[in-house]
Amino acid sequence: AQKITQTQPGMFVQEKEAVTLDCTYDTSDPSYGLFWYKQPSSGEMIFLIYQGSYDQQNATEGRYSLNFQKARKSANLVISASQLGDSAMYFCAMRGTTGNQFYFGTGTSLTVIP
Amino acid sequence: DAGITQSPRHKVTETGTPVTLRCHQTENHRYMYWYRQDPGHGLRLIHYSYGVKDTDKGEVSDGYSVSRSKTEDFLLTLESATSSQTSVYFCAISKTGQGLTEAFFGQGTRLTVV
Repeated sequence: AQKITQTQPGMFVQEKEAVTLDCTYDTSDPSYGLFWYKQPSSGEMIFLIYQGSYDQQNATEGRYSLNFQKARKSANLVISASQLGDSAMYFCAMRGTTGNQFYFGTGTSLTVIP
Repeated sequence: DAGITQSPRHKVTETGTPVTLRCHQTENHRYMYWYRQDPGHGLRLIHYSYGVKDTDKGEVSDGYSVSRSKTEDFLLTLESATSSQTSVYFCAISKTGQGLTEAFFGQGTRLTVV
Protein backbone atom coordinates (compact mmCIF):
# COMPACT_ATOMS: atom_id res chain seq x y z
CA ALA A 1 0.00 0.00 0.00
CA GLN A 2 1.13 3.52 -0.75
CA LYS A 3 0.95 6.12 1.98
CA ILE A 4 2.12 9.69 2.46
CA THR A 5 2.29 11.24 5.92
CA GLN A 6 2.59 14.92 6.74
CA THR A 7 2.61 15.36 10.50
CA GLN A 8 2.66 19.17 10.67
CA PRO A 9 -0.85 20.58 10.19
CA GLY A 10 0.42 24.14 10.57
CA MET A 11 3.78 25.89 10.58
CA PHE A 12 4.92 29.46 11.13
CA VAL A 13 8.15 31.00 9.86
CA GLN A 14 9.63 34.45 10.04
CA GLU A 15 10.09 36.23 6.74
CA LYS A 16 13.57 35.62 5.24
CA GLU A 17 14.11 32.54 7.40
CA ALA A 18 14.30 28.96 6.12
CA VAL A 19 11.63 26.38 6.92
CA THR A 20 11.40 22.60 6.56
CA LEU A 21 8.13 20.84 5.87
CA ASP A 22 8.15 17.15 6.74
CA CYS A 23 6.98 14.27 4.58
CA THR A 24 7.38 10.54 5.06
CA TYR A 25 6.17 7.88 2.68
CA ASP A 26 5.65 4.17 2.39
CA THR A 27 5.65 2.16 -0.80
CA SER A 28 6.52 -1.26 -2.11
CA ASP A 29 7.28 0.04 -5.60
CA PRO A 30 10.96 -0.25 -6.51
CA SER A 31 10.78 2.98 -8.48
CA TYR A 32 8.74 6.04 -7.59
CA GLY A 33 8.61 9.80 -7.72
CA LEU A 34 8.09 12.28 -4.94
CA PHE A 35 6.50 15.67 -5.50
CA TRP A 36 5.61 18.82 -3.64
CA TYR A 37 2.71 21.08 -4.52
CA LYS A 38 1.70 24.49 -3.25
CA GLN A 39 -1.91 25.55 -2.87
CA PRO A 40 -2.37 29.26 -2.16
CA SER A 41 -5.63 30.61 -0.81
CA SER A 42 -6.85 31.10 -4.38
CA GLY A 43 -7.09 27.32 -4.62
CA GLU A 44 -4.95 26.27 -7.57
CA MET A 45 -2.43 23.45 -7.24
CA ILE A 46 1.07 24.50 -8.23
CA PHE A 47 3.82 21.94 -8.85
CA LEU A 48 7.03 22.90 -7.04
CA ILE A 49 9.63 20.16 -7.16
CA TYR A 50 10.22 16.52 -8.07
CA GLN A 51 12.58 13.82 -6.78
CA GLY A 52 13.05 10.43 -8.41
CA SER A 53 13.74 7.47 -6.18
CA TYR A 54 16.95 6.65 -8.03
CA ASP A 55 18.24 10.20 -8.22
CA GLN A 56 21.59 10.48 -6.50
CA GLN A 57 21.32 14.15 -5.70
CA ASN A 58 18.63 16.08 -3.88
CA ALA A 59 16.41 18.12 -6.16
CA THR A 60 16.53 21.91 -6.11
CA GLU A 61 14.34 24.51 -7.81
CA GLY A 62 15.21 28.07 -6.92
CA ARG A 63 14.42 28.58 -3.22
CA TYR A 64 12.96 25.07 -2.95
CA SER A 65 15.01 22.00 -2.21
CA LEU A 66 13.97 18.48 -1.39
CA ASN A 67 15.84 16.70 1.38
CA PHE A 68 15.51 13.09 0.22
CA GLN A 69 16.55 10.36 2.66
CA LYS A 70 15.63 7.08 1.00
CA ALA A 71 16.56 4.80 3.89
CA ARG A 72 14.34 6.82 6.23
CA LYS A 73 11.62 7.17 3.58
CA SER A 74 11.47 10.90 4.00
CA ALA A 75 11.20 13.69 1.44
CA ASN A 76 11.18 16.98 3.30
CA LEU A 77 10.71 20.30 1.51
CA VAL A 78 13.06 23.10 2.46
CA ILE A 79 12.09 26.66 1.57
CA SER A 80 14.94 29.12 1.96
CA ALA A 81 14.54 32.86 2.53
CA SER A 82 10.78 32.68 3.11
CA GLN A 83 8.60 35.34 1.53
CA LEU A 84 5.09 36.48 2.42
CA GLY A 85 3.88 34.90 -0.82
CA ASP A 86 4.99 31.50 0.45
CA SER A 87 2.03 31.45 2.85
CA ALA A 88 -0.04 28.56 1.51
CA MET A 89 -0.95 24.92 1.94
CA TYR A 90 1.79 22.50 0.90
CA PHE A 91 1.17 18.93 -0.18
CA CYS A 92 3.62 16.09 -0.52
CA ALA A 93 2.75 13.44 -3.10
CA MET A 94 4.12 10.18 -4.41
CA ARG A 95 3.68 8.35 -7.69
CA GLY A 96 4.68 4.75 -8.13
CA THR A 97 5.00 2.54 -11.16
CA THR A 98 2.11 0.36 -10.03
CA GLY A 99 -1.03 1.97 -11.41
CA ASN A 100 0.54 5.40 -11.78
CA GLN A 101 -1.74 7.04 -9.26
CA PHE A 102 -0.60 10.02 -7.24
CA TYR A 103 -1.00 9.71 -3.48
CA PHE A 104 -1.18 12.86 -1.39
CA GLY A 105 -0.56 13.72 2.22
CA THR A 106 -3.00 15.77 4.27
CA GLY A 107 -0.97 18.94 3.81
CA THR A 108 0.85 21.53 5.91
CA SER A 109 -0.40 25.08 6.21
CA LEU A 110 2.53 27.48 6.18
CA THR A 111 2.21 31.04 7.42
CA VAL A 112 5.04 33.50 6.84
CA ILE A 113 5.19 36.23 9.48
CA PRO A 114 6.49 39.68 8.51
CA ASP B 1 0.42 26.45 -18.06
CA ALA B 2 -0.95 23.01 -18.84
CA GLY B 3 -4.15 23.15 -20.84
CA ILE B 4 -6.72 21.75 -18.45
CA THR B 5 -10.20 23.14 -18.11
CA GLN B 6 -12.79 22.04 -15.59
CA SER B 7 -16.45 22.85 -15.93
CA PRO B 8 -18.45 24.03 -14.20
CA ARG B 9 -16.28 25.90 -11.69
CA HIS B 10 -19.08 26.15 -9.15
CA LYS B 11 -22.27 24.19 -8.78
CA VAL B 12 -25.03 23.90 -6.23
CA THR B 13 -27.28 20.89 -6.61
CA GLU B 14 -29.98 19.12 -4.65
CA THR B 15 -29.63 15.82 -2.89
CA GLY B 16 -30.56 12.91 -5.13
CA THR B 17 -29.88 14.60 -8.45
CA PRO B 18 -27.22 13.39 -10.89
CA VAL B 19 -24.28 15.70 -11.52
CA THR B 20 -21.58 15.55 -14.19
CA LEU B 21 -18.28 17.38 -13.98
CA ARG B 22 -16.13 17.74 -17.07
CA CYS B 23 -12.38 17.84 -17.45
CA HIS B 24 -10.93 18.83 -20.81
CA GLN B 25 -7.24 18.78 -21.72
CA THR B 26 -5.36 20.02 -24.75
CA GLU B 27 -2.05 18.33 -23.86
CA ASN B 28 -2.78 14.84 -25.22
CA HIS B 29 -1.60 13.33 -21.92
CA ARG B 30 -2.39 9.70 -21.34
CA TYR B 31 -3.33 9.80 -17.66
CA MET B 32 -6.26 11.70 -16.20
CA TYR B 33 -7.41 11.76 -12.61
CA TRP B 34 -10.29 12.97 -10.48
CA TYR B 35 -9.58 13.95 -6.89
CA ARG B 36 -11.68 15.41 -4.14
CA GLN B 37 -10.26 17.76 -1.54
CA ASP B 38 -11.72 17.99 1.94
CA PRO B 39 -10.26 19.66 5.04
CA GLY B 40 -8.03 17.30 6.97
CA HIS B 41 -7.96 14.73 4.18
CA GLY B 42 -5.75 16.27 1.55
CA LEU B 43 -6.52 15.07 -1.96
CA ARG B 44 -8.11 11.67 -2.34
CA LEU B 45 -8.31 9.82 -5.63
CA ILE B 46 -11.80 9.04 -6.91
CA HIS B 47 -11.12 7.51 -10.31
CA TYR B 48 -8.40 7.68 -12.89
CA SER B 49 -7.90 6.83 -16.54
CA TYR B 50 -4.89 5.46 -18.37
CA GLY B 51 -6.36 5.73 -21.86
CA VAL B 52 -9.56 6.03 -23.83
CA LYS B 53 -12.17 3.78 -22.22
CA ASP B 54 -9.57 2.57 -19.69
CA THR B 55 -10.48 3.61 -16.18
CA ASP B 56 -9.99 2.33 -12.67
CA LYS B 57 -11.22 3.11 -9.18
CA GLY B 58 -9.41 5.11 -6.56
CA GLU B 59 -9.77 5.03 -2.81
CA VAL B 60 -13.09 6.93 -2.60
CA SER B 61 -14.98 5.76 -5.69
CA ASP B 62 -18.33 4.83 -4.12
CA GLY B 63 -21.13 6.96 -5.56
CA TYR B 64 -19.05 8.11 -8.52
CA SER B 65 -18.61 6.92 -12.07
CA VAL B 66 -16.38 8.13 -14.88
CA SER B 67 -16.12 7.95 -18.62
CA ARG B 68 -13.41 8.74 -21.13
CA SER B 69 -14.55 8.40 -24.73
CA LYS B 70 -11.89 10.76 -26.08
CA THR B 71 -8.31 11.41 -25.04
CA GLU B 72 -9.11 14.99 -24.14
CA ASP B 73 -12.24 14.53 -22.02
CA PHE B 74 -12.73 12.83 -18.66
CA LEU B 75 -16.18 13.04 -17.11
CA LEU B 76 -17.03 12.47 -13.46
CA THR B 77 -20.63 11.65 -12.62
CA LEU B 78 -22.24 11.66 -9.22
CA GLU B 79 -25.06 9.25 -9.81
CA SER B 80 -27.26 10.54 -6.99
CA ALA B 81 -25.64 13.42 -5.15
CA THR B 82 -25.45 13.33 -1.34
CA SER B 83 -24.37 15.98 1.14
CA SER B 84 -21.19 13.99 1.84
CA GLN B 85 -20.15 14.69 -1.74
CA THR B 86 -19.96 18.41 -1.07
CA SER B 87 -16.32 19.07 -1.83
CA VAL B 88 -13.81 20.66 -4.15
CA TYR B 89 -13.08 18.43 -7.11
CA PHE B 90 -9.83 18.56 -9.01
CA CYS B 91 -8.97 17.03 -12.34
CA ALA B 92 -5.31 16.29 -13.07
CA ILE B 93 -3.37 15.04 -16.06
CA SER B 94 0.01 13.42 -16.46
CA LYS B 95 2.20 11.99 -19.14
CA THR B 96 3.17 8.33 -19.25
CA GLY B 97 4.35 7.34 -15.82
CA GLN B 98 7.20 5.29 -14.43
CA GLY B 99 7.00 7.72 -11.53
CA LEU B 100 8.91 10.31 -13.44
CA THR B 101 6.44 13.02 -14.36
CA GLU B 102 4.33 15.38 -12.37
CA ALA B 103 0.60 15.93 -12.49
CA PHE B 104 -0.91 19.18 -13.67
CA PHE B 105 -4.15 20.28 -12.12
CA GLY B 106 -7.25 22.05 -13.29
CA GLN B 107 -8.65 25.01 -11.41
CA GLY B 108 -11.05 22.91 -9.36
CA THR B 109 -14.84 22.68 -9.13
CA ARG B 110 -16.60 23.63 -5.93
CA LEU B 111 -19.67 21.43 -5.58
CA THR B 112 -22.28 21.99 -2.91
CA VAL B 113 -25.04 19.44 -2.38
CA VAL B 114 -28.00 20.83 -0.44
